[in-house]
Amino acid sequence: SQQGEEDPQALSIQEGENATMNCSYKTSINNLQWYRQNSGRGLVHLILIRSNEREKHSGRLRVTLDTSKKSSSLLITASRAADTASYFCATENNYGQNFVFGPGTRLSVLP
Amino acid sequence: DAGVIQSPRHEVTEMGQEVTLRCKPISGHDYLFWYRQTMMRGLELLIYFNNNVPIDDSGMPEDRFSAKMPNASFSTLKIQPSEPRDSAVYFCASSFSAAPLHFGNGTRLTVT
Repeated sequence: SQQGEEDPQALSIQEGENATMNCSYKTSINNLQWYRQNSGRGLVHLILIRSNEREKHSGRLRVTLDTSKKSSSLLITASRAADTASYFCATENNYGQNFVFGPGTRLSVLP
Repeated sequence: DAGVIQSPRHEVTEMGQEVTLRCKPISGHDYLFWYRQTMMRGLELLIYFNNNVPIDDSGMPEDRFSAKMPNASFSTLKIQPSEPRDSAVYFCASSFSAAPLHFGNGTRLTVT
């Protein structure tokens, strides 16, 4: 089983709408990372949130972390067609299963 | 910064042949990772190194796969002999002091 798993598997929205995707994990963590992958390219790091942080912002991205529920969410506000990509989470911890990615969320932003 | 450099970008080979994929990490990074991505299995961690030493190779599918990191600026992933089911995109990533990871653009391997 995966340490980090994203949901939903796929999400389709209109340009300008907000997109929210979630990540659940199983063990306590040191940090959680979100990445984006455009078709045919490598993953690109978006945000890292540490276990003692609850929320972090970067431009139109907002990440929250709830360690009691072992979950994180990534919110993309005012989405653009260029945000169309797959989004992945990964965790780092002291128990193994580090740097393991889930199946990702495929986001489609329709113009 | 040139980023993580992988070569070749595409590799087409016949079943049974040896395949060598190459990776040059970002200078100064002390972690290096190899991943494999397919539609069916998603993104799989094969192996990762810290300071050129393999730390976790539990994802290496079988003995046909081997990875080396002879120095801080170069790593190889070798498949011998290759099989059609090895067809995938192979990614190399590097990082400084673990996360976050910086990925190369991958090598698309096709084994016929």
